[in-house]
Amino acid sequence: SQELEQSPQSLIVQEGKNLTINCTSSKTLYGLYWYKQKYGEGLIFLMMLQKGGEEKSHEKITAKLDEKKQQSSLHITASQPSHAGTYLCGADGNTDKLIFGTGTRLQVFP
Amino acid sequence: DSGVTQTPKHLITATGQRVTLRCSPRSGDLSVYWYQQSLDQGLQFLIQYYNGEERAKGNILERFSAQQFPDLHSELNLSSLELGDSALYFCASSVETGVSPLHFGNGTRLTVT
Repeated sequence: SQELEQSPQSLIVQEGKNLTINCTSSKTLYGLYWYKQKYGEGLIFLMMLQKGGEEKSHEKITAKLDEKKQQSSLHITASQPSHAGTYLCGADGNTDKLIFGTGTRLQVFP
Repeated sequence: DSGVTQTPKHLITATGQRVTLRCSPRSGDLSVYWYQQSLDQGLQFLIQYYNGEERAKGNILERFSAQQFPDLHSELNLSSLELGDSALYFCASSVETGVSPLHFGNGTRLTVT
């Protein structure tokens, strides 16, 4: 079965710093989704990537998909306290179910 | 607000009991997914329904069952509850099955004592 590994597991950065979160799949990626979750709350959809080389941005968050490496990266520019939370990548692996990585917990301090 | 409604928000019950979690998908979404999130297991896919029919099954225990009704709302039934069933249960919906993003509800926090 397909697995998604995220790195790092947690990240503590100072406000204003840039950061990158990676998501690597054990199998071919047919679609990659990024979500953000605040503690104890639901997942908020950020963006979806479908094609190799695709890059999308949402405010100061940019995600890229490298199909050959079966990997996606999420980059936050000039982090703010509002970016704090857990970021999860999800993939459909050409099945109907969406599986998720274990998440990257981000803390941003002033 | 994702448009997905889950009730109740919190549920506290004893071992051996049975509970029902309810989910109303976003207007127009035909597909409903159920996930379980616990600290040690992360977000685990349980089951998916599409327009009333079961579409995909994940690591759902035999003590758990679900259904999607003609009005597209869904219920997840958990029976013979054990302490280990304590978790956040999420419902998500999407327009179609496959390559469309899932929109999540705020979850039901189940505590089994």
